[in-house]
Amino acid sequence: NAGVMQNPRHLVRRRGQEARLRCSPMKGHSHVYWYRQLPEEGLKFMVYLQKENIIDESGMPKERFSAEFPKEGPSILRIQQVVRGDSAAYFCASSLGRWGETQYFGPGTRLLVL
Amino acid sequence: RKEVEQDPGPFNVPEGATVAFNCTYSNSASQSFFWYRQDCRKEPKLLMSVYSSGNEDGRFTAQLNRASQYISLLIRDSKLSDSATYLCVVKVLTGGGNKLTFGTGTQLKVEL
Repeated sequence: NAGVMQNPRHLVRRRGQEARLRCSPMKGHSHVYWYRQLPEEGLKFMVYLQKENIIDESGMPKERFSAEFPKEGPSILRIQQVVRGDSAAYFCASSLGRWGETQYFGPGTRLLVL
Repeated sequence: RKEVEQDPGPFNVPEGATVAFNCTYSNSASQSFFWYRQDCRKEPKLLMSVYSSGNEDGRFTAQLNRASQYISLLIRDSKLSDSATYLCVVKVLTGGGNKLTFGTGTQLKVEL
């Protein structure tokens, strides 16, 4: 039973490029969460999605960041015009339902902006 | 003030020692509480949920004091494999659902 999958595991971008991070939830899970962990800091919630819907994006920066979870395929976190401060580990988690459900984390994507 | 506060450590303890971590949270509407473990450069993994009545899982015991907004984790008979960062996590159920708020973690190093 495959867990949460994320790719790529490592991503290097130059300032101004776009970064696309993918997350495939656990089988049967339709709720996806994205978290960011800056160096030496805790994980911070970014966005919560269900299939085709953004439920809570209160943790997303207002500019350059977007997320989607289409009917088919993985969830995508997109960062446009990356800056050095975007360098971080981006973790995706999934759960079976919305309320009171355990979130299972993927291995993360480590983004380095040069 | 951070929503979830932890002593960052590191806690360096000999194998076999008992070690305790504490955590405080600021949102009185927090409804669920957890300890996660994070190994270096890996994803967080759920260690245990925390209940007001206290709960135990093998060598690990977790306690919650809602009045003081305080959570603890006790590890008995520490093993080398317990070396990791321990994350205190709270969940506030809102209209949006299931968002987790993480502390910055307490680092534990168990030594021979």
